[in-house]
Amino acid sequence: DTGVSQDPRHKITKRGQNVTFRCDPISEHNRLYWYRQTLGQGPEFLTYFQNEAQLEKSRLLSDRFSAERPKGSFSTLEIQRTEQGDSAMYLCAVPSTGGWQETQYFGPGTRLLVL
Amino acid sequence: AQKITQTQPGMFVQEKEAVTLDCTYDTSDPSYGLFWYKQPSSGEMIFLIYQGSYDQQNATEGRYSLNFQKARKSANLVISASQLGDSAMYFCAMRGSGGYQKVTFGTGTKLQVIP
Repeated sequence: DTGVSQDPRHKITKRGQNVTFRCDPISEHNRLYWYRQTLGQGPEFLTYFQNEAQLEKSRLLSDRFSAERPKGSFSTLEIQRTEQGDSAMYLCAVPSTGGWQETQYFGPGTRLLVL
Repeated sequence: AQKITQTQPGMFVQEKEAVTLDCTYDTSDPSYGLFWYKQPSSGEMIFLIYQGSYDQQNATEGRYSLNFQKARKSANLVISASQLGDSAMYFCAMRGSGGYQKVTFGTGTKLQVIP
């Protein structure tokens, strides 16, 4: 148990629909990351939150994507007007502890399939 | 920019034997961290081992050890006494000293342990 839950675990949707994913760290973390993993690839960074502030967004995050972390605890990632190319695993991660030996612990991910 | 290269798409190993998974990296950061993650078919990313760029000794965690050769920019994972449960995708990753600590992943190596 990494201390991060994600919901839903699986989502099947039709092209053009909107979807929203949620990430819930069990304990408080001031930093939170979203990654996307497509088939046969490693995860790729999408965006980063420091408390409520979204401080960095990858160019992978088109204007159809929006992420929030309203109270600095849980986070949501919404995709509007989904496309088949959005099919992927969406992973949320939080840092282990502060300091240089910090790692990132990942949630179980949400698998999205866009038909 | 950071880059991770894993040149072995797939590997086979006999149960109880040792196996080495290759990883090379490229970065301009003077300080960085290197990680290995395991991803079973269930999809979760499981942190295995961490090596800091200034660490003098190679990291070890149980049956996992990281063969760190800084001059060659390599960070190979060695799994000793392979078990059937080790069959999974393995990702090498790194974190630089800047960029909000986001992690860059390689494309992964699929390890299959043969009974």
